[in-house]
Amino acid sequence: DVKVTQSSRYLVKRTGEKVFLECVQDMDHENMFWYRQDPGLGLRLIYFSYDVKMKEKGDIPEGYSVSREKKERFSLILESASTNQTSMYLCASSLSQKQYFGPGTRLTVT
Amino acid sequence: QKEVEQDPGPLSVPEGAIVSLNCTYSNSAFQYFMWYRQYSRKGPELLMYTYSSGNKEDGRFTAQVDKSSKYISLFIRDSQPSDSATYLCAMIQTGANNLFFGTGTRLTVIP
Repeated sequence: DVKVTQSSRYLVKRTGEKVFLECVQDMDHENMFWYRQDPGLGLRLIYFSYDVKMKEKGDIPEGYSVSREKKERFSLILESASTNQTSMYLCASSLSQKQYFGPGTRLTVT
Repeated sequence: QKEVEQDPGPLSVPEGAIVSLNCTYSNSAFQYFMWYRQYSRKGPELLMYTYSSGNKEDGRFTAQVDKSSKYISLFIRDSQPSDSATYLCAMIQTGANNLFFGTGTRLTVIP
């Protein structure tokens, strides 16, 4: 079975803090993705990566950056957290068209 | 217009009912169609995966794709309380990396 893990299930940060969300997959997938999920808006793609050190902007990259130094690990960075970044963050990895998701990190910025 | 439209519900049915969940889309280049199930406070899990038009059955679940109408459906037979979740449709073009998701339909199966 594919396993995608995320570093935290729940996280509370203060406005202006730098926040790191980590994601690890164990299936040697080329592609990895970061989404945020908000009520009524569904899943929105922040960034994705199709190889080590490669990244592509998704639909809502503003305020976020990413890092992929190893194939199995994809990090999402909030440089200066703001209250409008309070959300559920989901990481996924994919083999061909099928994406497999981690359990999510519920981030609250106060 | 969104690429993928899905009725958000909520949808409540009695246990044992047949459930029909639907999505419409606008991009005729979509070739692969998926349904994900997401329990509260969990990540989505891949439930069904189909290519192009036709039906696919897996136990109590049937996925149906009608490319001529740009319409996909997920049917759940003999629904159970454990089926209570949000169901997301998703689709992708051949050769692309990005999935396009519906916003999800919240289903509650009442015992």
